[in-house]
Amino acid sequence: EAGVTQFPSHSVIEKGQTVTLRCDPISGHDNLYWYRRVMGKEIKFLLHFVKESKQDESGMPNNRFLAERTGGTYSTLKVQPAELEDSGVYFCASSLGPAGFYEQYFGPGTRLTVT
Amino acid sequence: AQSVTQLDSHVSVSEGTPVLLRCNYSSSYSPSLFWYVQHPNKGLQLLLKYTSAATLVKGINGFEAEFKKSETSFHLTKPSAHMSDAAEYFCVVNQAGTALIFGKGTTLSVSS
Repeated sequence: EAGVTQFPSHSVIEKGQTVTLRCDPISGHDNLYWYRRVMGKEIKFLLHFVKESKQDESGMPNNRFLAERTGGTYSTLKVQPAELEDSGVYFCASSLGPAGFYEQYFGPGTRLTVT
Repeated sequence: AQSVTQLDSHVSVSEGTPVLLRCNYSSSYSPSLFWYVQHPNKGLQLLLKYTSAATLVKGINGFEAEFKKSETSFHLTKPSAHMSDAAEYFCVVNQAGTALIFGKGTTLSVSS
């Protein structure tokens, strides 16, 4: 069974540019989560999809971040325009059901560097 | 509100000696608690989880953790460290249905 995959593994962009991160969850997992780890800080929740619907987006830092999950399969996280403080590692996770009851399986992360 | 504090940012042990990674949590309700591990260039992997069953939880690779409500602790232990245990470890708290809340992580170094 394939795990959670994320693309790209690394991205280096300049301030003001746009970047789109992609996450492919484990097949059949309706729940998809995005997390972010800024350097030196803890991993923080960004948002949660159930199928194509946003269940909880309370962790999204501002309106420069847009997440989508069209069709309830893969998800994208777009940052537009990127700022220096957006640098960090973006993790995606998927699960069969809600957090706490079902294990979340994490991807390897996308390391974003904004210069 | 929930939170989790990992008391050590870095722990160094020798191969074959015990490992102790400390975690304290704060939660208004009965929490679920987890330990995740991340090896370099890999995704986070679940080591073990506590969900109000037995207080001593056994995980993969010989790790275990004990839930102590009186001390609000969930420390991770292993009797004998192996070189392959070198990684970053995260203590995580969660209330059913809400997002995972991570500690800042503890980097474990194992020397031969």
